[in-house]
Amino acid sequence: QKEVEQDPGPLSVPEGAIVSLNCTYSNSAFQYFMWYRQYSRKGPELLMYTYSSGNKEDGRFTAQVDKSSKYISLFIRDSQPSDSATYLCAMSASGGYQKVTFGTGTKLQVIP
Amino acid sequence: EAEVAQSPRYKITEKSQAVAFWCDPISGHATLYWYRQILGQGPELLVQFQDESVVDDSQLPKDRFSAERLKGVDSTLKIQPAELGDSAMYLCASSVPLQRGGSYEQYFGPGTRLTVT
Repeated sequence: QKEVEQDPGPLSVPEGAIVSLNCTYSNSAFQYFMWYRQYSRKGPELLMYTYSSGNKEDGRFTAQVDKSSKYISLFIRDSQPSDSATYLCAMSASGGYQKVTFGTGTKLQVIP
Repeated sequence: EAEVAQSPRYKITEKSQAVAFWCDPISGHATLYWYRQILGQGPELLVQFQDESVVDDSQLPKDRFSAERLKGVDSTLKIQPAELGDSAMYLCASSVPLQRGGSYEQYFGPGTRLTVT
């Protein structure tokens, strides 16, 4: 079993829809939960991160972490065609040179 | 805006040949990573450097892969001999601590897409 599981999609939604992207994990030591966005033929870029449980909002993006369920989500409101990309969840434990473990990515297409 | 530089962007090689990738991290970033990303999968860490020292190379296939960061700045990843299964995107990243501390924000380069024939 992989430490981080992510539905690969692809996910296709109309412009303006609310998008929900999810990951589950098995390692209880994970404390940092990150979402990266990767456009085609580019490297990933960090969208946002959350420490421990709770919600974090940044514009149209909201990240949620439920450590009791080992489940994290990224919500995109009012999705735009420019949001079309692969979204990778990533997690790490705290302190030292902790490795960041990535999910497999969910490919999102927002249709105008 | 500072970026992680990688070269070449694309490389086609025959199996059993040697291949090398180069990475120049963002200036001042002490931590450098090499990842392999197979199509449809997430990045998998191959090696992590702190300055010139390797801090994690547990997933690096050491019989054929080597990595160095001699002066703690740029880095080279080498594969010798290349195998068909090595076809993938090789990503380099450098990082700074998250504002909160305890983990890192990684800045990725554009990657080198390797095709082994």
